[in-house]
Amino acid sequence: NAGVTQTPKFRVLKTGQSMTLLCAQDMNHEYMYWYRQDPGMGLRLIHYSVGEGTTAKGEVPDGYNVSRLKKQNFLLGLESAAPSQTSVYFCASSTRDPQNIQYFGAGTRLSVL
Amino acid sequence: KQEVTQIPAALSVPEGENLVLNCSFTDSAIYNLQWFRQDPGKGLTSLLLIQSSQREQTSGRLNASLDKSSGRSTLYIAASQPGDSATYLCAVRPRGAGANNLFFGTGTRLTVIP
Repeated sequence: NAGVTQTPKFRVLKTGQSMTLLCAQDMNHEYMYWYRQDPGMGLRLIHYSVGEGTTAKGEVPDGYNVSRLKKQNFLLGLESAAPSQTSVYFCASSTRDPQNIQYFGAGTRLSVL
Repeated sequence: KQEVTQIPAALSVPEGENLVLNCSFTDSAIYNLQWFRQDPGKGLTSLLLIQSSQREQTSGRLNASLDKSSGRSTLYIAASQPGDSATYLCAVRPRGAGANNLFFGTGTRLTVIP
């Protein structure tokens, strides 16, 4: 049971470089989410998607873009990485019902130098 | 904006002790509250989910309670084991606008000493 898979697991970027984080889920979930986790702060929602072809901003969307071209994939892009984007990024998915549980990937640790 | 606080930030107990982790939130208009476990370098695993209409949920040695009116939840762990060592996070899902956003606390890092 793969669940939610994130790639890559680790990445180091230089300021100004771009990259894309990939999230894939095999549970046929409608909703997908990208969070970031920083020391001393709770996880914060960056962007989310309620279905294929739709995305919406979360709490901290600036500097990130997302795409959901296929139901099972949710991509998070950094066009011009900044040191402030050094963080651990988590993807999650859930069914449409707001009472349901979010299932998380193992995370991507990103360092921007 | 919903604020979620977890106290203490870290807790160390000898094996076999019963313990309580605390979570408080500022806005009582919630769909549910979840407790998660996070192991170092790993993702989050959902432990218990309490609907807003419920007072408590139990799973094995874990019992979570919810007092929505006072904005508090507790996670009770009975007969702690070294394998319980992890960071425990609580998260609330608000009602209305922002219902797709989980608000997380910063977690309590638990160490159970053999």
